[in-house]
Amino acid sequence: DVKVTQSSRYLVKRTGEKVFLECVQDMDHENMFWYRQDPGLGLRLIYFSYDVKMKEKGDIPEGYSVSREKKERFSLILESASTNQTSMYLCASSLPGPGTGELFFGEGSRLTVL
Amino acid sequence: GEDVEQSLFLSVREGDSSVINCTYTDSSSTYLYWYKQEPGAGLQLLTYIFSNMDMKQDQRLTVLLNKKDKHLSLRIADTQTGDSAIYFCARRGSSNTGKLIFGQGTTLQVKP
Repeated sequence: DVKVTQSSRYLVKRTGEKVFLECVQDMDHENMFWYRQDPGLGLRLIYFSYDVKMKEKGDIPEGYSVSREKKERFSLILESASTNQTSMYLCASSLPGPGTGELFFGEGSRLTVL
Repeated sequence: GEDVEQSLFLSVREGDSSVINCTYTDSSSTYLYWYKQEPGAGLQLLTYIFSNMDMKQDQRLTVLLNKKDKHLSLRIADTQTGDSAIYFCARRGSSNTGKLIFGQGTTLQVKP
């Protein structure tokens, strides 16, 4: 069964802390994505990666960075967490190319910044 | 306006049909998707439609695509309480990066 695993389901951090959100997929997918989900706003793309060590900014990259050192792992980093980064973070992966482009999602990481 | 738009809430009675609507602005989208998110879970692909199709049916689900009006709908027949969830409409971006652009999500409440 295909799987995208996010390391933490719930995190509580303080303003200014550095936060790491980890995501691992076992499907050998080239593409990986980080979205944040907020009520009434849907999913907004933070960063994505289409290969190891490659990354591209999504629609809301400010305050975030990412790391893709291995194909199966894509990390989202909040260098200095702020209260407006309290949100649900969803990782996803997909195959490249002209196919259906289905995204496979993890279960999400709910981050609260106090 | 937003790229992909949905109404935020729909309430139906068990056994009725549900229709969730979505509009989008980019006519170059190749694939359009419906994802379902159950409470406390990630998103799962429910169904998708290729842009050269008008309709796709899969058991209780019917997807209608009106390319002229850039309107996508999802009809769930004989709605059950287990269908209560958030439903997201999404379109594939115009580049080959594989990114999807999502709507705001429609919360479907099914009353017994």
